[in-house]
Amino acid sequence: KNEVEQSPQNLTAQEGEFITINCSYSVGISALHWLQQHPGGGIVSLFMLSSGKKKHGRLIATINIQEKHSSLHITASHPRDSAVYICAALLRMNYGGSQGNLIFGKGTKLSVKP
Amino acid sequence: DSGVTQTPKHLITATGQRVTLRCSPRSGDLSVYWYQQSLDQGLQFLIQYYNGEERAKGNILERFSAQQFPDLHSELNLSSLELGDSALYFCASSKSGVSYQPQHFGDGTRLSIL
Repeated sequence: KNEVEQSPQNLTAQEGEFITINCSYSVGISALHWLQQHPGGGIVSLFMLSSGKKKHGRLIATINIQEKHSSLHITASHPRDSAVYICAALLRMNYGGSQGNLIFGKGTKLSVKP
Repeated sequence: DSGVTQTPKHLITATGQRVTLRCSPRSGDLSVYWYQQSLDQGLQFLIQYYNGEERAKGNILERFSAQQFPDLHSELNLSSLELGDSALYFCASSKSGVSYQPQHFGDGTRLSIL
């Protein structure tokens, strides 16, 4: 079992729909990244969060540390949102710090149709 | 633009050869991370350097090595290349290696082994 699991693997939506991508993890983490990877391959960091909720434009990320679960929401989706969305956990080490390396989910491929 | 520069963008070589991938971190960032993204394994952490010293090691093969120079740029050396080494190699940087600083990714180097 992967330490970071994402669902769904693939998601097709109509323009304007509300989208949710889920991420569950089984390890102790210091923080969680949500990343966006476009077909060209480049990776953009969308959010890094360790508690609560963050919002940027139409994107909202939430995390529940007790349940070891995070969600990425996209409101009023648009074809330009089509990309692979990846969650990545920043491991919490025994001494309470982190080494900085990320463990990645397999990604969710989102396609938004006009 | 993340501020992280990776060169070259594409590299095509043959089995058994040796290549060097280069990464310049964002100005002011002390930590550099290397990741490999292959079709079957997804994104995997390889190695992290902080201010010139190795900080953490992930799934990095013995045929691979890296270093971070005094000017903070980093190089990833891949030797005795095999077909399975074909992948996208990403570099990311952050201000430090043990805080909850977000990581900023370069555009990647696409390595193709023929």
